[in-house]
Amino acid sequence: DAKTTQPNSMESNEEEPVHLPCNHSTISGTDYIHWYRQLPSQGPEYVIHGLTSNVNNRMASLAIAEDRKSSTLILHRATLRDAAVYYCILPTYSGAGSYQLTFGKGTKLSVIP
Amino acid sequence: NAGVTQTPKFQVLKTGQSMTLQCAQDMNHEYMSWYRQDPGMGLRLIHYSVGAGITDQGEVPNGYNVSRSTTEDFPLRLLSAAPSQTSVYFCASTAFPGAAASYEQYFGPGTRLTVT
Repeated sequence: DAKTTQPNSMESNEEEPVHLPCNHSTISGTDYIHWYRQLPSQGPEYVIHGLTSNVNNRMASLAIAEDRKSSTLILHRATLRDAAVYYCILPTYSGAGSYQLTFGKGTKLSVIP
Repeated sequence: NAGVTQTPKFQVLKTGQSMTLQCAQDMNHEYMSWYRQDPGMGLRLIHYSVGAGITDQGEVPNGYNVSRSTTEDFPLRLLSAAPSQTSVYFCASTAFPGAAASYEQYFGPGTRLTVT
């Protein structure tokens, strides 16, 4: 299974953009790139996903490298509510029906007021 | 929509006791799953279900049973609780992913279980 590598922690000032990197050098051609985040004492929350093209939604943007070996989650203006652990995940699907999100340790984002 | 709901929020068990963690979703999702999260760790898949009447094991199934009699509900049973099962348990649901693996999962708020 393809693995992802993320920095353990990052800091950002409030109202500034944040770029959260993720390396996935063994990604296959059919692997989607998903991002989830987990606020303190809450369940994980979907943020965004993509395959090849850059993606935007109301929460964030996802920039995918041309060779797909890395991606960057972009929060355009960090707020205190964005302080969370961010997970970059390549979901795996087996023919038997298993659909699994493998959560690593993620990147803990701290937002400084 | 309430999304994914879980009860109870907190539970303390003694070693050897059994209990059922409840999970329900109101989004008509076919796929439901249970994860556990140990302190400082990522989530690990316990069991999953691709529809009513169909369940299968995930990465760490030992000590847990599941059943899926309706689309909405997916309870997790601890047969004989052990201290190693102290964890936070998350239930999740998604529209059936098919082969594209491109669907988002919705997670419940979690059940914090302590086994003494």
